[in-house]
Amino acid sequence: DAKTTQPTSMDCAEGRAANLPCNHSTISGNEYVYWYRQIHSQGPQYIIHGLKNNETNEMASLIITEDRKSSTLILPHATLRDTAVYYCIVRPGGEGGKLIFGQGTELSVKP
Amino acid sequence: DAGVTQSPTHLIKTRGQQVTLRCSPKSGHDTVSWYQQALGQGPQFIFQYYEEEERQRGNFPDRFSGHQFPNYSSELNVNALLLGDSALYLCASSSGQVSSYNEQFFGPGTRLTVL
Repeated sequence: DAKTTQPTSMDCAEGRAANLPCNHSTISGNEYVYWYRQIHSQGPQYIIHGLKNNETNEMASLIITEDRKSSTLILPHATLRDTAVYYCIVRPGGEGGKLIFGQGTELSVKP
Repeated sequence: DAGVTQSPTHLIKTRGQQVTLRCSPKSGHDTVSWYQQALGQGPQFIFQYYEEEERQRGNFPDRFSGHQFPNYSSELNVNALLLGDSALYLCASSSGQVSSYNEQFFGPGTRLTVL
């Protein structure tokens, strides 16, 4: 079973920041938080990952709470092309490459 | 860089038949994972191959088997197809050993329909 909880769906206005929350209250100390997204009919695409510090790359920012029980993915200026299902994944520590996907959040960016 | 490629794109089979799906990893990657994604669901991990051996396996029956070749490409075989096997089958590649935290790159998937 997925170790994360996300809202089923969210809307965001084009050009505004999209903030996608994720709860992972049972996360272990050696587990990373990963975010992937899946645009309709395509394979999932890696966005960002982090352990306990906030992370930023060209696609997004990841904010992890100090207790590591939740995180927020931020798309600073959402575009229509950001409409997708966003998956928050806690990487199983010591279990290698397996990714456990939950239901994800369906983000709709509207003009 | 072609990224992860999968073939075929679409496939239609009937119950009881066998199917083979193929995956070529991203250049420089040596680890291949397979996922099954039913309609409206998140991808489910099937298994992972590294150094031509199955290293991890998800909760899938023995009807699902795989292989990795010396050039790191991989095949997924499904025997005795059931209607419930209809899904998008995704291949993902990564670099390094199984215990690494490297990101996985996914292919576009193969859409399998079982009639």
